[in-house]
Amino acid sequence: AQSVSQHNHHVILSEAASLELGCNYSYGGTVNLFWYVQYPGQHLQLLLKYFSGDPLVKGIKGFEAEFIKSKFSFNLRKPSVQWSDTAEYFCAASGSARQLTFGSGTQLTVLP
Amino acid sequence: DAGITQSPRYKITETGRQVTLMCHQTWSHSYMFWYRQDLGHGLRLIYYSAAADITDKGEVPDGYVVSRSKTENFPLTLESATRSQTSVYFCASNDGRSPNEKLFFGSGTQLSVL
Repeated sequence: AQSVSQHNHHVILSEAASLELGCNYSYGGTVNLFWYVQYPGQHLQLLLKYFSGDPLVKGIKGFEAEFIKSKFSFNLRKPSVQWSDTAEYFCAASGSARQLTFGSGTQLTVLP
Repeated sequence: DAGITQSPRYKITETGRQVTLMCHQTWSHSYMFWYRQDLGHGLRLIYYSAAADITDKGEVPDGYVVSRSKTENFPLTLESATRSQTSVYFCASNDGRSPNEKLFFGSGTQLSVL
């Protein structure tokens, strides 16, 4: 069965700290990977996506993610977080069908 | 950007009542989706639609009904609401031209079933 796992449920960091959120997926065949962000009171927005090519993907607001096929991982990173990065982050994956499978989400709290 | 709108924003209902959540998009996207968001589960797909009059079940379809008579509308109906259906519901769409292209989400409907 297709699945996406996010093992960090809540991460608390101080401003300027580095961030890495874990995401592992279980999919047969070709997989497309996404990170979505949900700021407080807002709807989900796409941060970045990986379809093929360079496994290091850069997204908006200084975020990046690295696709490591051998580890079935697509971890999200940011070198220096800001208070405005406080949000919930969702990893998602899809295969040949158009259904996205989401992880359970990671709540990031950045302390000023 | 109000391309996809959901209504109502908040809804309180009682067990056993029928509730319909509305979703409207102005982009003429062919694909539309309904997700529910629950703590510890992330977003789970309820139903999706590839085009008008074409719908299919997602991961958690039980207790829900959808229709897609027009491309722009994709209402979700809870025929007899249960407490376990208390959740935040998100509608989403994409144009389907590029496989697995990003989804555009609505602002969500927070539903409480008492």
